[in-house]
Amino acid sequence: GAGVSQSPSNKVTEKGKDVELRCDPISGHTALYWYRQSLGQGLEFLIYFQGNSAPDKSGLPSDRFSAERTGGSVSTLTIQRTQQEDSAVYLCASRHWGGRVETQYFGPGTRLLVL
Amino acid sequence: SQQGEEDPQALSIQEGENATMNCSYKTSINNLQWYRQNSGRGLVHLILIRSNEREKHSGRLRVTLDTSKKSSSLLITASRAADTASYFCATDGRETSGSRLTFGEGTQLTVNP
Repeated sequence: GAGVSQSPSNKVTEKGKDVELRCDPISGHTALYWYRQSLGQGLEFLIYFQGNSAPDKSGLPSDRFSAERTGGSVSTLTIQRTQQEDSAVYLCASRHWGGRVETQYFGPGTRLLVL
Repeated sequence: SQQGEEDPQALSIQEGENATMNCSYKTSINNLQWYRQNSGRGLVHLILIRSNEREKHSGRLRVTLDTSKKSSSLLITASRAADTASYFCATDGRETSGSRLTFGEGTQLTVNP
């Protein structure tokens, strides 16, 4: 596609339920990033993929958070047993690796509300 | 965690005026990028400046980088009401893996018609 897409746009869930957030990066971008933006915390890094591998998961806030990427393309961020503090906008970005283009391109985000 | 700081936190100007936003960071960088965000959703990339560059222009945008002071500024000239948004700087640090970005706190710009 022309840009990074994310689904769903909005997700309302009850505390304790699991949620899956999807990211479709720009075609050909081998690097994929998840960030979270919450009130009072700003934009924070969660996890980074190079191909299907995740060399850096250091930003995942707890073991309730996990992510995977398949086929070097689509990525899914899963939050198990959601808590109210998980409410935030989850942003995905991708970039071409190698060459001189270093820009990360962001998707529109998924706004998650945990009641 | 946020290691960048931006000032001002909020800026309100009249259409046609120039807007200047500043960003400071703490570590050595490969590049610094500026993004715009409308209504708390996706980030739109504005401009990237590499660590060996001092100034860059793109349309009405001018970015400067001072690596000795670990600071950058974004100037928007002849502002328009449509420029109203939050602006973030983000650094690609030399010590961080995979070129992950570290964001500043952001500046909320309001351009009054």
